[in-house]
Amino acid sequence: DTGVSQDPRHKITKRGQNVTFRCDPISEHNRLYWYRQTLGQGPEFLTYFQNEAQLEKSRLLSDRFSAERPKGSFSTLEIQRTEQGDSAMYLCASSRGLAGGPTSYNEQFFGPGTRLTVL
Amino acid sequence: AQTVTQSQPEMSVQEAETVTLSCTYDTSESNYYLFWYKQPPSRQMILVIRQEAYKQQNATENRFSVNFQKAAKSFSLKISDSQLGDTAMYFCAFMKFITSGTYKYIFGTGTRLKVLA
Repeated sequence: DTGVSQDPRHKITKRGQNVTFRCDPISEHNRLYWYRQTLGQGPEFLTYFQNEAQLEKSRLLSDRFSAERPKGSFSTLEIQRTEQGDSAMYLCASSRGLAGGPTSYNEQFFGPGTRLTVL
Repeated sequence: AQTVTQSQPEMSVQEAETVTLSCTYDTSESNYYLFWYKQPPSRQMILVIRQEAYKQQNATENRFSVNFQKAAKSFSLKISDSQLGDTAMYFCAFMKFITSGTYKYIFGTGTRLKVLA
């Protein structure tokens, strides 16, 4: 399988615990994105990496959230001191990087997501 | 700020019939991309169709086509000859550039489509 993979697929935790999710992008993709999807809503952008550099962070990403992509390959998203409001599907996507101006287009390929339930 | 609105939370269609899902968006940009994504139950999002705003011709992909009305900021998806496998959540998305050469998606709230046998 050469698609985007995410682990775990489901996570149930108690409020106040820390959780970490992993995303493995498509191997030749140097761009990686995290989105959050709450019930009844569309995915919302959280953060973006180009190689190992985190170039964009949404205001949705509070201080309790941290994302890394240490070697420019897989990425982790950690949530510290989880709250019930963190319950959501966390989606990872990846895309190629093309040289060019702002109008360059790269389709994002999504992983299956990690569904987090905070009790 | 860019917004994407899908006003139909749920729709159903009989197998083999045609259904149209609505989407409107708001932007001040002149060059952008629009997408329809499909999210089957418990499965990952997959791209259905995309439209470049500078192209006047409506995009088509097999049974899927769009009606892109740039002036009205409308982007509807038509599914012809609906199949049971089309049952899914459908998201309309606008691509917003955030830094040179990359972008993020702005998604609508989705339309849940059920194809009935």
